[in-house]
Amino acid sequence: DQQVKQNSPSLSVQEGRISILNCDYTNSMFDYFLWYKKYPAEGPTFLISISSIKDKNEDGRFTVFLNKSAKHLSLHIVPSQPGDSAVYFCAASPYLQGAQKLVFGQGTRLTINP
Amino acid sequence: DAGVTQSPTHLIKTRGQQVTLRCSPKSGHDTVSWYQQALGQGPQFIFQYYEEEERQRGNFPDRFSGHQFPNYSSELNVNALLLGDSALYLCASILQSSGNTIYFGEGSWLTVV
Repeated sequence: DQQVKQNSPSLSVQEGRISILNCDYTNSMFDYFLWYKKYPAEGPTFLISISSIKDKNEDGRFTVFLNKSAKHLSLHIVPSQPGDSAVYFCAASPYLQGAQKLVFGQGTRLTINP
Repeated sequence: DAGVTQSPTHLIKTRGQQVTLRCSPKSGHDTVSWYQQALGQGPQFIFQYYEEEERQRGNFPDRFSGHQFPNYSSELNVNALLLGDSALYLCASILQSSGNTIYFGEGSWLTVV
């Protein structure tokens, strides 16, 4: 039972354009959502998060949008840079504080082309 | 500020053997979780330790066990290794009372042959 799904295994975007990564979830108990970025041979690095009381959170080039009714969230990266090439994981938790039991999607490999 | 550190980084074990992986949480963090990431998949939650007790557990057999020490560091033990246990094992930490960002270590690559 895949509670968090990232249906695109890979995405290729030209440098300077917008990258949009999508994530769907099925469990309505999820209250807190996070995006992680992972380079090969490294652990996941936290990027940005959003709680269910918001529909948008912005941090520099990264914006996360949450549509609770559709159980869908997306990560926008503008403008995309070559260093953004990595695997991006969407994760969800039913807790905000002390959130530990994250449920991850399968990941999307983003490639930024010069 | 030391982040989450894990050891060893890579190891190879034989089927049926036992393995112990170690983790030191980020400075100031008191809660540790372990995740298993198989190739091409997202990390899967194994269990969480807080105040030296297992607080939450994912869908993993009893062959997977852990421990948390008074200094908040943690160990993951896997007994009777199977080929399917080959994966990247990630440790994550957080401050239970107020933290909402989970930090991950670089992981321990386990290969079972």
